[in-house]
This record gives sequence, structure tokens and C-alpha cells, in this order.
Amino acid sequence: DAGVIQSPRHEVTEMGQEVTLRCKPISGHNSLFWYRQTMMRGLELLIYFNNNVPIDDSGMPEDRFSAKMPNASFSTLKIQPSEPRDSAVYFCASSFSGLAVDTQYFGPGTRLTVL
Amino acid sequence: KQEVTQIPAALSVPEGENLVLNCSFTDSAIYNLQWFRQDPGKGLTSLLLIQSSQREQTSGRLNASLDKSSGRSTLYIAASQPGDSATYLCAVMNYGGSQGNLIFGKGTKLSVKP
Repeated sequence: DAGVIQSPRHEVTEMGQEVTLRCKPISGHNSLFWYRQTMMRGLELLIYFNNNVPIDDSGMPEDRFSAKMPNASFSTLKIQPSEPRDSAVYFCASSFSGLAVDTQYFGPGTRLTVL
Repeated sequence: KQEVTQIPAALSVPEGENLVLNCSFTDSAIYNLQWFRQDPGKGLTSLLLIQSSQREQTSGRLNASLDKSSGRSTLYIAASQPGDSATYLCAVMNYGGSQGNLIFGKGTKLSVKP
């Protein structure tokens, strides 16, 4: 299996522009997570989907952030408009949620720089 | 509110040493605790998962222990190698939280010198 795939790997944009990050989870997994990692705050959960439905979006910082999962094999995280403080590494992770809590498998991340 | 702390933030050891990484958490009502490894420019890789009812888990040269009552976990690495150089993060999942609600420490950056 190719693992969790994220694109792009690096994104540099100017303040005010729209940014879209993409994620393809591992085939067969039914849970998908978006995280943000910064030096100051560490790794934080932004939103979590189960069976394509958003379950917990309490970590989404503000209305500029939105996430969708139109099908089991694709998700997007959009920032509009972007701001310099959004600069971070954004990770997508997936897992299979059955009777037991399973481990999450992380993608390589997208490094976002907002100038 | 659950808080996870990892001390030290960075650690440098010579190859071959046994070492211990520490993780502490403020709320003992956890569902499980996990240790992850993160290499530069890469995502996280799960190393060990300890359920709340367990005291330890072992995988190869790695051994993780859990003491819920004191809010502590340790990751023991035996006979360290340069390839073990990475950042190690621990994360807890609280009871009653959603399955995605892993709360991470900021990690310990380990450097193993040849």
C-alpha cells in the first residue's frame, strides 16, 4: 500500500490567497484526521471524519478553515483567505475504526508558508 | 484540560547507550497512550500503543511503560543506534473523547552520535 498521500508537499503563497491541501487516505480506512504542527503549539487536531462525515471539528481555528470529504478516498482542507500565522506543516492521517481503537497512519505532510 | 509534557526537549547520547524518554500527562482518565517517531520532513510513525489496562508494551529494542496513577509513561530504547535519531512524541487519548482526539506532547528530539 502506498500509505497516506498528501499534496502538495510544499506550498508557498501570499497572504489573502486561497490554499487547498489534499489527502488520499489508505484504502479501506474509514477515519481521516487533519492535524497542524507548529513549533509553538506542537501537533493539534483540526478535524476528524468517520465514514466521510465530520465528527469533531472543534480544532478548526476559525471560519477561514474548511474541510470536506466527498468520498472515502479523498479529502481537502481549504484556507481562505490565508494569513501568515497559518504557516505550519499540515498532516493528514487515516485509520480503521472498528470495535477497537486502531492506530493512525500519517502522511508526509504539506509544509505551508504564507508570506 | 489534558496536557502532555515531554522532558527533555532534546537529548544527545553516544551510540550503544540505553536511554529513557519521559512523558507526563495531567489527567489520568486516559483510554490509551501512544509513542510515535517523527523523522525530519516526514510524517509520524506509530511505535507502541499501550491500552489503559496495560502496564507496558515491547517491540524489539523499544519498551514503553505506563503508570496511569502517576500520569507518566517512559519509552526505553536499548543499545541506541544512529538510526534511532528522530523526534519522539507521546500522545494520549482521553476517555469520552472522540477517537480522533489524540493529545500530543511537543516531543523529545533524540540524537545518537556514532
